[in-house]
Amino acid sequence: DIQMTQSPSTLSASVGDKVTITCRASQSLSTWLAWYQQKPGKAPKLLIYKASSLESGVPSRFSGSGSGAEFTLTISSLQPDDSATYYCQQYNSYTSTFGQGTKVEIK
Amino acid sequence: QLVESGGGLVKPGGSLRLSCVASGFTFIGHGMNWVRQAPGKGLEWVSSIKSGSTSMYYADSVKGRFTISRDDAKTSLYLQMSSLRAEDTAVYYCARDKYGAHWFDPWGQGTLVTVSS
Repeated sequence: DIQMTQSPSTLSASVGDKVTITCRASQSLSTWLAWYQQKPGKAPKLLIYKASSLESGVPSRFSGSGSGAEFTLTISSLQPDDSATYYCQQYNSYTSTFGQGTKVEIK
Repeated sequence: QLVESGGGLVKPGGSLRLSCVASGFTFIGHGMNWVRQAPGKGLEWVSSIKSGSTSMYYADSVKGRFTISRDDAKTSLYLQMSSLRAEDTAVYYCARDKYGAHWFDPWGQGTLVTVSS
């Protein structure tokens, strides 16, 4: 099974800061990776798919990059509404694995 | 667009059937999925079914105990869960495949399954 490791587990940043979350896979994924945002008590929301494609309606301050086994989610200018937990997701042969999540807090 | 039901309290070893009714899109053309989240924990992919029920896939943690199915005429997705364990306690979400790939969007609101004696 492919394992996904996200870092950091939590981060605290100020409004306007640039924030980067990393996701590493135990084997190459090409670009079969997505990012989700989840707020407390809510279902996850798709932000980025195929490593770097921005989902429709998602603010342009969110971006994804990477290929192979290392990926990043970047928030270019952190906003109060971005306080949430972020998960990466890989899919391989129609099975899937999520990273353990990164909780983003606003200072 | 996705509404789950069927969750509740069940004893260890028991069974439960979750349902997810879809609306607002062409259900028959999309793969569908179940993802769960234990209280205070992260997301765990559980199972997927391709359009036309051509193939089904399961996480190792539920293989042999859970069965995914769909009824395209009723635009409904199901998860039959048996031999339930305490560690199956979670909110269960259904989610649709998007862009012809295994990206999950939209998601339902979730239904809580609690396995406890």
